[in-house]
Amino acid sequence: DQQVKQNSPSLSVQEGRISILNCDYTNSMFDYFLWYKKYPAEGPTFLISISSIKDKNEDGRFTVFLNKSAKHLSLHIVPSQPGDSAVYFCAASGPIGSGAGSYQLTFGKGTKLSVIP
Amino acid sequence: KAGVTQTPRYLIKTRGQQVTLSCSPISGHRSVSWYQQTPGQGLQFLFEYFSETQRNKGNFPGRFSGRQFSNSRSEMNVSTLELGDSALYLCASSTQGARTNEKLFFGSGTQLSVL
Repeated sequence: DQQVKQNSPSLSVQEGRISILNCDYTNSMFDYFLWYKKYPAEGPTFLISISSIKDKNEDGRFTVFLNKSAKHLSLHIVPSQPGDSAVYFCAASGPIGSGAGSYQLTFGKGTKLSVIP
Repeated sequence: KAGVTQTPRYLIKTRGQQVTLSCSPISGHRSVSWYQQTPGQGLQFLFEYFSETQRNKGNFPGRFSGRQFSNSRSEMNVSTLELGDSALYLCASSTQGARTNEKLFFGSGTQLSVL
């Protein structure tokens, strides 16, 4: 049962245009959401996050939108640059782990973004 | 401040063998989590250790185990290796673990190939 879903395995965008990466979740216990970026042969690095009490968070060219009623979040990159080409993982955090009161970070399968010069 | 260090970087084993992977977290971080990444499956949570205690565990068989030492360094062990265990194993550290508003810092991973 996949609780965090990224339904688009890949996305190609022209340099300078907007990239929109989508993520859906099923567990209403999730209360914090993060996006990580991963280059080949490297570990994921944190990009941006949003708390469930907000619906938007912005950091430079990156904006994350959260729609709690739809259990949907999206990452917007404007303008897209060739250096943004990477795999983007959506992750959700909440007290769903097997340990008492512990949080667990659950990841989606990732979306590979290719920004074409 | 040094990042999360994972050793070895690459590992080749044969079916039936066992393997031990090592992770040194960022100084001051007491939580270490392990994830398995396979093509098409994303990052799947293995377990989390905090102050030498396993605090959380994912849905993996008992062949996958781990431990954490008093200096917060962690090891992950996989016994009786299967072909399907071939994956990138990622370690992540943080001060308190996957709690609200805390991000994880990942190492570069250990690429395990089982032949």
